[in-house]
Amino acid sequence: GENVEQHPSTLSVQEGDSAVIKCTYSDSASNYFPWYKQELGKRPQLIIDIRSNVGEKKDQRIAVTLNKTAKHFSLHITETQPEDSAVYFCAASKGGSNTGKLIFGQGTTLQVKP
Amino acid sequence: DAGITQSPRHKVTETGTPVTLRCHQTENHRYMYWYRQDPGHGLRLIHYSYGVKDTDKGEVSDGYSVSRSKTEDFLLTLESATSSQTSVYFCAIRGVGTEAFFGQGTRLTVV
Repeated sequence: GENVEQHPSTLSVQEGDSAVIKCTYSDSASNYFPWYKQELGKRPQLIIDIRSNVGEKKDQRIAVTLNKTAKHFSLHITETQPEDSAVYFCAASKGGSNTGKLIFGQGTTLQVKP
Repeated sequence: DAGITQSPRHKVTETGTPVTLRCHQTENHRYMYWYRQDPGHGLRLIHYSYGVKDTDKGEVSDGYSVSRSKTEDFLLTLESATSSQTSVYFCAIRGVGTEAFFGQGTRLTVV
C-alpha cells in the first residue's frame, strides 16, 4: 500500500528565511498531494494541494512542487513569519480510485524565530 | 466547521472496557476517515469508508472496528481498550475530488 515519508521532522528558521519540507511517496498511481497545517491544539487544515497533472502550484508565500518521476513533492514557504510556526503534514491519495484512501507523512514541526 | 462533529471530545476509560467514538457529518461527503495522532507518528490511518457499509483497514487497524450504516455517521469502536490506544483521534470527511476536512479531535485516555 501507499507509504509517505516526510523530512525533516523538525525545522527551525529565522523570520524572513525560507523553509522547505520534502515528502516521498511509494505508490506511483497516487495523483493528489495535499499539505496540511496544524497549530497547537487545533485540527489540521489544508493550506495547498497539487494534482499530478501539474508540476508546481503557488499561493502567495506558499508553493508546492511535484516530481512524478522521482515520486517526491515539496512545500516551500518564503518570507517566513512567526505565525507560520506549526506542524505541517503532507499526504498522498489516488484520486481516481473508488476508496479515496488518504495517507499522511509523519509531520514536520516548523519553528520560526523572530 | 465544515459540517463535521466528533463526540465525545474527551474521554477517560479503563483498560478492557469498550469505547465508541462518533463522527457525524452534514455535508453528504462520500469518504470518511479515522486517524490517530501520536507524537512522532503523525496522522496514522486506522480505518476509512468510501460509502455506506463500505469500509477498509488503514495502517493501524488492529484493535479497532468501524461501522457506517448511514452516510452521515462513521463510528470507531475499541472493543477492549488498552493503554496503547491512548491518543488523539481525528475524523475526516472528503467529497469526490475535494479536500479533506478534519473534526476537532477526541482525546482518549485509557487508564
